[in-house]
Amino acid sequence: QKEVEQNSGPLSVPEGAIASLNCTYSDRGSQSFFWYRQYSGKSPELIMFIYSNGDKEDGRFTAQLNKASQYVSLLIRDSQPSDSATYLCAFQAAGNKLTFGGGTRVLVKP
Amino acid sequence: DTGVSQDPRHKITKRGQNVTFRCDPISEHNRLYWYRQTLGQGPEFLTYFQNEAQLEKSRLLSDRFSAERPKGSFSTLEIQRTEQGDSAMYLCATSLNTEAFFGQGTRLTVV
Repeated sequence: QKEVEQNSGPLSVPEGAIASLNCTYSDRGSQSFFWYRQYSGKSPELIMFIYSNGDKEDGRFTAQLNKASQYVSLLIRDSQPSDSATYLCAFQAAGNKLTFGGGTRVLVKP
Repeated sequence: DTGVSQDPRHKITKRGQNVTFRCDPISEHNRLYWYRQTLGQGPEFLTYFQNEAQLEKSRLLSDRFSAERPKGSFSTLEIQRTEQGDSAMYLCATSLNTEAFFGQGTRLTVV
């Protein structure tokens, strides 16, 4: 079992709709969770992080964390073609390294 | 631009040659990470420094790989006797507390 599981996609979303991305993790010692966006050929850029159960909103993005279910999700509201990218989920345990999933490719169609 | 700088951006080398990459972190960031990423995969952890101390190394990091952060500022990653399987994007990330920011990466092609 991989430490971080993400559906590779592609997740096809109409422009203006909500994109919903999911991530599960195996390490119960995980403390912080991150979502990065990566455009093709570029390096990952941080969207947001969450460490408490519940929701955290930042602009059009909402991260949701459920530690009991070992599950973190990202919602992108009012999806735009510029949101087309690969979204990487990562967790950070006490050792401080970030462990990444394989990413979910999102395609927003005009 | 996150403020994390990597050099070079691209490197083409012949199999068997040695290569060295450099990462300059955001100035106050005490944690520095190296990752490797191949096409269609997420970044794989290689090694991690807190200040000048190398605190963790992945089992992926064979004896051909070595990393240093001599004064707790910039870091170098050296690959000796490169192999075609070393072709990848090498990413550096730095952090102060929780958030880690990536540099632009160094794309290595071994021919």
